[in-house]
Amino acid sequence: NAGVTQTPKFRILKIGQSMTLQCTQDMNHNYMYWYRQDPGMGLKLIYYSVGAGITDKGEVPNGYNVSRSTTEDFPLRLELAAPSQTSVYFCASSLWGSTGELFFGEGSRLTVL
Amino acid sequence: DAKTTQPTSMDCAEGRAANLPCNHSTISGNEYVYWYRQIHSQGPQYIIHGLKNNETNEMASLIITEDRKSSTLILPHATLRDTAVYYCIVRVQDSNYQLIWGAGTKLIIKP
Repeated sequence: NAGVTQTPKFRILKIGQSMTLQCTQDMNHNYMYWYRQDPGMGLKLIYYSVGAGITDKGEVPNGYNVSRSTTEDFPLRLELAAPSQTSVYFCASSLWGSTGELFFGEGSRLTVL
Repeated sequence: DAKTTQPTSMDCAEGRAANLPCNHSTISGNEYVYWYRQIHSQGPQYIIHGLKNNETNEMASLIITEDRKSSTLILPHATLRDTAVYYCIVRVQDSNYQLIWGAGTKLIIKP
């Protein structure tokens, strides 16, 4: 099993551009999450999903959108990129929500200039 | 805001037990304590979690005080590969049951 796979690993955007961070998991987990991590800080939840077709906002959803059309995929869309969105983004999945173990991808480092 | 307080950094000699403290004085009776670690900006890795009783697995032990206001993560025989940021997290008892992450403890294992 590959676990949680994120692409791209690195990306530089110009202010106002848009992009999608891809996340896929092969563990048949219902729960999926997107976090961002700023330097020296803990993770902040952007959006999460409890199953295909169901998504909800986390702590810091502004400027982002998500969709969950399949169990495996949970893409994160950045519209009109801003310097404040420069961060490392982590996708995670779990079988039992945050009650159990979260499995994380390797991260996507995004820089907005 | 995170409901936990951890030291910013700690050192430990290789081969010794690493004891990482965490304060969570406002924890509620049905809230769990979770520990994750993050090695060099990789994705975080789950270590252990507990409610009231002490817990042990192949990676670590978790000791929770009787009043549940603090806990200690113990890595019994630290190796250089245990150098990482360790996060103590209380699972907030709300409708979403999401994890609130603090800044963690940077643990450095020295040869």
